[in-house]
Amino acid sequence: GNSVTQMEGPVTLSEEAFLTINCTYTATGYPSLFWYVQYPGEGLQLLLKATKADDKGSNKGFEATYRKETTSFHLEKGSVQVSDSAVYFCALRELTGGFKTIFGAGTRLFVKA
Amino acid sequence: EADIYQTPRYLVIGTGKKITLECSQTMGHDKMYWYQQDPGMELHLIHYSYGVNSTEKGDLSSESTVSRIRTEHFPLTLESARPSHTSQYLCASSEWGNTEAFFGQGTRLTVV
Repeated sequence: GNSVTQMEGPVTLSEEAFLTINCTYTATGYPSLFWYVQYPGEGLQLLLKATKADDKGSNKGFEATYRKETTSFHLEKGSVQVSDSAVYFCALRELTGGFKTIFGAGTRLFVKA
Repeated sequence: EADIYQTPRYLVIGTGKKITLECSQTMGHDKMYWYQQDPGMELHLIHYSYGVNSTEKGDLSSESTVSRIRTEHFPLTLESARPSHTSQYLCASSEWGNTEAFFGQGTRLTVV
């Protein structure tokens, strides 16, 4: 079945450091891929998405490129801020069977001032 | 901004009580979902719906039940709450097709 595997956390960085959170997926066909962010005490918010191979999603300085050849969708940011501290979820949208969203286990990011 | 709302945000309730968690969306989405989020953060799909009068069980077995009488409303009910039901419950909705899901802010349930 379809699945998403993402880097285990927590990830702790100093402000202005470079961030990478790895995400790989297994899926039939070419699903849309997403990164969601969850701030403390809140629900999930869409951070960025890519709907086809080689697409780059970007938002708020975060980027991720849909790599079909490596089945990956790694999240990157060049310079993190304390306000980026949150839990990040990689996800894919199934193309059949009800179009359910499959989530990775989440990666907690702490950014220190 | 997503227009999907969950109430209550926080609920502390005694064992054996019946509870209903509310979820409403104003986007006209046909598909709605309930996720249970454990302390380790992982999300587990417990129920989903394709539209009015449609309900399906998700990947994680749950003692809760849901109903979908109106497009905008997808309540979740626990007939007899137990401490093992303590968790965060997240409701979401989406359009058909290859699009993102929109989430409510969640209900944090504690059963004592």
